[in-house]
Amino acid sequence: EAGVAQSPRYKIIEKRQSVAFWCNPISGHATLYWYQQILGQGPKLLIQFQNNGVVDDSQLPKDRFSAERLKGVDSTLKIQPAKLEDSAVYLCASSLGQGAGQPQHFGDGTRLSIL
Amino acid sequence: AQTVTQSQPEMSVQEAETVTLSCTYDTSENNYYLFWYKQPPSRQMILVIRQEAYKQQNATENRFSVNFQKAAKSFSLKISDSQLGDTAMYFCAFMKINAGNMLTFGGGTRLMVKP
Repeated sequence: EAGVAQSPRYKIIEKRQSVAFWCNPISGHATLYWYQQILGQGPKLLIQFQNNGVVDDSQLPKDRFSAERLKGVDSTLKIQPAKLEDSAVYLCASSLGQGAGQPQHFGDGTRLSIL
Repeated sequence: AQTVTQSQPEMSVQEAETVTLSCTYDTSENNYYLFWYKQPPSRQMILVIRQEAYKQQNATENRFSVNFQKAAKSFSLKISDSQLGDTAMYFCAFMKINAGNMLTFGGGTRLMVKP
């Protein structure tokens, strides 16, 4: 089966600019996650969707970050305006659903560099 | 809130030998899942092994096995017959049940397999 697809793979922008990332989960996966992974650290959950509804966005900096999952399939994560501390890899993951212990499948991530 | 600690930032092992990566976690939950993920330089997080807390038997996947000590809140990963392709970052992760299957990751251990 095709894996989780993310684009772009790399993005370089200047601070205060805007950027958007795209994710296409594994077909049939109802749950989608966005993580931020700062260099040298483990991933940190930003937001979780179940179909097109938000399950948890408690760690999303809502003053600058937004995410949507229209039609319950693809998702976009946007940062506006970007700050230097947003430099990180942004990982998208998906799982079949919310059944207990469902493993998450990850994409290759987008590496964001802020100048 | 759950915390996951990986006390070994870096480890190395000779090819064909065995290495053990440590992980401890803190939770008040009685039922949960634990995971080990591998992240090679390509950045994609790959599931290595999963353990259900209510199962006493340690999980095994080919050359990978865990030592799950629930009372001690310890979850170590043993890699037998190490191969060059095992070189990667390894992340331990905790999943609380009935909370959207969100993962809390440790800080990671960088493993280098030497020829």
